[in-house]
Amino acid sequence: GDSVTQMEGPVTLSEEAFLTINCTYTATGYPSLFWYVQYPGEGLQLLLKATKADDKGSNKGFEATYRKETTSFHLEKGSVQVSDSAVYFCALGLSGSARQLTFGSGTQLTVLP
Amino acid sequence: EAEVAQSPRYKITEKSQAVAFWCDPISGHATLYWYRQILGQGPELLVQFQDESVVDDSQLPKDRFSAERLKGVDSTLKIQPAELGDSAMYLCASSLPGAKAGELFFGEGSRLTVL
Repeated sequence: GDSVTQMEGPVTLSEEAFLTINCTYTATGYPSLFWYVQYPGEGLQLLLKATKADDKGSNKGFEATYRKETTSFHLEKGSVQVSDSAVYFCALGLSGSARQLTFGSGTQLTVLP
Repeated sequence: EAEVAQSPRYKITEKSQAVAFWCDPISGHATLYWYRQILGQGPELLVQFQDESVVDDSQLPKDRFSAERLKGVDSTLKIQPAELGDSAMYLCASSLPGAKAGELFFGEGSRLTVL
């Protein structure tokens, strides 16, 4: 079945450090890929998305490129801030599956000042 | 800004008791989802509604869980009887009709602890 594998956390970085959170997927069709973020005490919210191979999603300084050849969608940010501390979830969705999402297990990011 | 409303935020119950969660999606969002998120894991879909109809409940443990959306607006998820393994965050999400895959709006969740 469809699945998403994220790098295990937690991840702790100093402010202004470079961030990479790895995500790989397995899907039978041609999925869209997403990163959702969950800030403390809040609901999940969409951070960025890519709908086809080689697309790059970006938002709030975060980027991820849909790599079909490596079935990956790694999240990157050049300079993290304390306010980026949150749990990050990689997810995939297939257009034929009623717009459902399959999530990875999440990666807790803590940024220290 | 419109939000998905959920209640209660926190619920502590003893095993074998009944518990219910309520969700009010963003106005106009025809699709409603209930997800369960066990601590340290990603959300897993329990049930999906399109208006008042169930689209997918294949992962809903129907011996103890039930979900309804009688008028196609708000929804209730019930567990009876609750078991220790049901301790989790229950997330409600909604989306617009015709929304592209993944464009879901989530509520803050209802955290259930079963003692």
